Amino acid sequence: KAGVTQTPRYLIKTRGQQVTLSCSPISGHRSVSWYQQTPGQGLQFLFEYFSETQRNKGNFPGRFSGRQFSNSRSEMNVSTLELGDSALYLCASSLQGTNTGELFFGEGSRLTVL
Amino acid sequence: EDQVTQSPEALRLQEGESSSLNCSYTVSGLRGLFWYRQDPGKGPEFLFTLYSAGEEKEKERLKATLTKKESFLHITAPKPEDSATYLCAVQDNSGNTPLVFGKGTRLSVIA
Repeated sequence: KAGVTQTPRYLIKTRGQQVTLSCSPISGHRSVSWYQQTPGQGLQFLFEYFSETQRNKGNFPGRFSGRQFSNSRSEMNVSTLELGDSALYLCASSLQGTNTGELFFGEGSRLTVL
Repeated sequence: EDQVTQSPEALRLQEGESSSLNCSYTVSGLRGLFWYRQDPGKGPEFLFTLYSAGEEKEKERLKATLTKKESFLHITAPKPEDSATYLCAVQDNSGNTPLVFGKGTRLSVIA
């Protein structure tokens, strides 16, 4: 069974640009969560989508947004990039959402902002 | 606000040298505590869920235990392939809340 797929795996952007990251969950999983991982802050929750609806949102500025499509694939967008947005962005899928705590993570998209 | 603190930040063991990793948490009401393993360049991989104090779960050389304030991940006779970062996360029981992760313990097992 295919795992969670994230694209692109690596990308380099400059300050002020915007970026879109994509996540394809495990087949049948309806929940997709996004996390930002940095050495200093660890894993921080961005948002969760379940059946195309945002169910939860973390404490990130409005420059961070996301959406989920009818096939459960999800995208997140970061506008007006800042140096501090450099991080590993992880997507996780689950059958019913974060309630069970058993999340299946992708390998992440590593974003570098110059 | 839910908080998770993991210690030590890094741990270096000789192969076969057993030890424990600690996860202290603060949560209004615990729905579950979760352990994940993360290898370099990969996403976290789920290991265990613990729901109530006194509960224990085992998988190969790993055993997770839970009290009302902390969880331990015991590693018995570790092997080099156990080297990874181990992450602890909690979820409170106030509805559909996301997992709150600690910063992890980076474990190195030397042959």
